[in-house]
Amino acid sequence: GQNIDQPTEMTATEGAIVQINCTYQTSGFNGLFWYQQHAGEAPTFLSYNVLDGLEEKGRFSSFLSRSKGYSYLLLKELQMKDSASYLCAVRRNRDDKIIFGKGTRLHILP
Amino acid sequence: KAGVTQTPRYLIKTRGQQVTLSCSPISGHRSVSWYQQTPGQGLQFLFEYFSETQRNKGNFPGRFSGRQFSNSRSEMNVSTLELGDSALYLCASSLTSGTGELFFGEGSRLTVL
Repeated sequence: GQNIDQPTEMTATEGAIVQINCTYQTSGFNGLFWYQQHAGEAPTFLSYNVLDGLEEKGRFSSFLSRSKGYSYLLLKELQMKDSASYLCAVRRNRDDKIIFGKGTRLHILP
Repeated sequence: KAGVTQTPRYLIKTRGQQVTLSCSPISGHRSVSWYQQTPGQGLQFLFEYFSETQRNKGNFPGRFSGRQFSNSRSEMNVSTLELGDSALYLCASSLTSGTGELFFGEGSRLTVL
């Protein structure tokens, strides 16, 4: 994805906590989104941050720092079904285009 | 309510041919975006349509085109297919343009031989 960086792969253990980071070019973007995509399936919306801070939704939380161009997705009490790719996306100011990162493939070990 | 429907789900074409993919958005959604997904590049934005008008376009050659009808259904067309066009083509709908909460279809997997 254009100007959006996230790790390619991560591995974590069932029951643990994992943090997936995303950095993006600080100027020209507003609104950050996280999507989950299981292998062979369509991406599904997880979260949206437009202001700085932490948004919590059940086992998943997403954080945004606009000044640092940084976000993370925090997954708690990991379950095997959380094995998926996690896509970070930003909305571009000048045309509202949604740009995706290449995604982080998360492997959960029993 | 029904989700985003894409047809066909799978198709195989040969180089030089053309292909048309169809997307029916969620009822009431007026914005349709198209993305190309490949293992190496991830989700690449193709274009977005809102109220029958192309609102945004990605960095793809002119062989890639699309349109949206009055009922919000959308089609994309790829002419003179190349091997590199093999990919999963995903359509996403949203209530309005630029919301970011996109609802994706299952995709059309195109293989070019």
